[in-house]
Amino acid sequence: EAGVAQSPRYKIIEKRQSVAFWCNPISGHATLYWYQQILGQGPKLLIQFQNNGVVDDSQLPKDRFSAERLKGVDSTLKIQPAKLEDSAVYLCASSLSGGYNSPLHFGNGTRLTVT
Amino acid sequence: AQSVAQPEDQVNVAEGNPLTVKCTYSVSGNPYLFWYVQYPNRGLQFLLKYITGDNLVKGSYGFEAEFNKSQTSFHLKKPSALVSDSALYFCAVRDRTRGSSASKIIFGSGTRLSIRP
Repeated sequence: EAGVAQSPRYKIIEKRQSVAFWCNPISGHATLYWYQQILGQGPKLLIQFQNNGVVDDSQLPKDRFSAERLKGVDSTLKIQPAKLEDSAVYLCASSLSGGYNSPLHFGNGTRLTVT
Repeated sequence: AQSVAQPEDQVNVAEGNPLTVKCTYSVSGNPYLFWYVQYPNRGLQFLLKYITGDNLVKGSYGFEAEFNKSQTSFHLKKPSALVSDSALYFCAVRDRTRGSSASKIIFGSGTRLSIRP
């Protein structure tokens, strides 16, 4: 089974620029998550989709972050404008369902550096 | 509110010795508990989960974890450590008594496990 695909792997931008990340989940996985992992910390949920609907975006900084999952398959996460504190690894994960015991399958992440 | 704590930033063990990585949690109801491992420049990989039933759960790569409700703990264990077990380990919790739309998976801050030859 192919895993969760993310691109790019690395991105360096200047503050106030915009950036977009792409994620393709495992085929058939209805639930998709975007996490932010700052160095030395555990992943923090930014947004959770169930098919193409948003289940939870309570921790997404909506003034600068946006995400979409058109057609309920792949997803993009955008930051505009970026701040220095956005430097982190952005992880995409998917699960077969949004059920409580469904383990998450993670991609390798995109490492963002904002200078 | 849900929370999970990993009290040790780093655990150092000699190869062949048993290892324990500690995790405690707090939820308002009953928990689903998970352990994930992260190798350098990789995403997190699922190791094991506790849902219900037997308090000792077994997972990938010879790891196991023991659920202790009275101590609200879910420590990760392995009887004999390997150098290849060196990685970052994350405990995670989800409150299974809340609706799925209101119950996030919360991750701990991680414990770096270092196995010396």
